[in-house]
Amino acid sequence: GDSVTQMEGPVTLSEEAFLTINCTYTATGYPSLFWYVQYPGEGLQLLLKATKADDKGSNKGFEATYRKETTSFHLEKGSVQVSDSAVYFCALSEGFGYGQNFVFGPGTRLSVLP
Amino acid sequence: EAQVTQNPRYLITVTGKKLTVTCSQNMNHEYMSWYRQDPGLGLRQIYYSMNVEVTDKGDVPEGYKVSRKEKRNFPLILESPSPNQTSLYFCASSLNQGSNQPQHFGDGTRLSIL
Repeated sequence: GDSVTQMEGPVTLSEEAFLTINCTYTATGYPSLFWYVQYPGEGLQLLLKATKADDKGSNKGFEATYRKETTSFHLEKGSVQVSDSAVYFCALSEGFGYGQNFVFGPGTRLSVLP
Repeated sequence: EAQVTQNPRYLITVTGKKLTVTCSQNMNHEYMSWYRQDPGLGLRQIYYSMNVEVTDKGDVPEGYKVSRKEKRNFPLILESPSPNQTSLYFCASSLNQGSNQPQHFGDGTRLSIL
């Protein structure tokens, strides 16, 4: 079945450091890929998405490129802030005739220190 | 404001006492789903619904029931809760079952089954 693998962390960085959170996936077809962010005590919020190969999703300084050849969707940010401290989830979605299969990775906890 | 609303946010109860967690969305979304979030396991789908009166099992449906009598509501029912159902639960909705549609999440319900 479909699956998503991501580094579990925790990842601890200093403010203004460069961030990379790796995400790789396995899927039977051509999924859409997402990054979600979860701040303490809240639900998941969509951060960015990409729906086909070579698409780049971006939002709030975060970027991720859909790499079909390496089945990856790594999240990057050039300069993190304390307010970026959260848990980040990589996810994929495949639509089938009978429904939508949405699969999440285990989440990566990011702590940014001032 | 577009949102997914879950109630209650927190609940502590005892084994075997039936409980219902409500979920309501105001975005006229067709697709709704329930997840549980456990440390190290990420989010796992319990049940999903593609439209009114259409529901199907996700990855971990045992011990849960759902219903979709109206488009906006998708309650999660635990007929006889057990301690292994202690978890953080999220309801989510999306416009339809298309794979490029992101899911919108509620703020979560933390259940403790003693």
